[in-house]
Amino acid sequence: QVQLVESGGGLVKPGGSLRLSCAASGFRFSDYYMSWIRQAPGKGLEWLSYISSSASTKYYADSVKGRFTISRDNAKNSLYLQMNSLRAEDTAVYYCASDTYSNPIYYFEYWGQGTLVTVSS
Amino acid sequence: DIQMTQSPSSLSASVGDRVTITCRASQSISTYLNWYQQKPGTAPKLLIYAASSLQSGVPSRFTGSGSGTDFTVTISSLQPEDFATYYCQQSYSTPRTFGQGTKVDIK
Repeated sequence: QVQLVESGGGLVKPGGSLRLSCAASGFRFSDYYMSWIRQAPGKGLEWLSYISSSASTKYYADSVKGRFTISRDNAKNSLYLQMNSLRAEDTAVYYCASDTYSNPIYYFEYWGQGTLVTVSS
Repeated sequence: DIQMTQSPSSLSASVGDRVTITCRASQSISTYLNWYQQKPGTAPKLLIYAASSLQSGVPSRFTGSGSGTDFTVTISSLQPEDFATYYCQQSYSTPRTFGQGTKVDIK
């Protein structure tokens, strides 16, 4: 069955860096766009970034542009999020999700269980 | 950026009730609208895509409708497992924005 498993979360000091990973299985990862979405404690969902299936196209929310970098390795069925210059407001559960396309719309069909990132001194 | 506004922010209902949640976009998004359900401590789950298409495995008591700027999701007869938070999300343009959520709890 389809699985997305995030890892790499933890406690980091303001200004620090963290790299999240998302391991995919059970579907043809290389065919899918993928996204990162986060949820601050007690808050709603915030889309952060997507990457095309070939990694040729990437897009970021303004809140993370210039600080976060999305990447993927299709040979390893893995998605990554490099997070630099972390701030307290980046504290959240981070989800990876498949950006499934069904003409003409994209939707987040498969989700990981999430990994918690806490930014605090 | 397209703003998505849900109403109400929360509601209390009983098992068997008919429940409707509304989502309004700040500009027309055709039918590029998806709905998700999230239970505490778990990842969101896709319920409806393209405004009215039911995701595989989702019970038929969930119905989505709307186009342009106004959308609804209706639960025809609320079941105990439906108590959760519901989010709308637009895929018309990037950034792909979510509504703030509607929490459905037990009356």
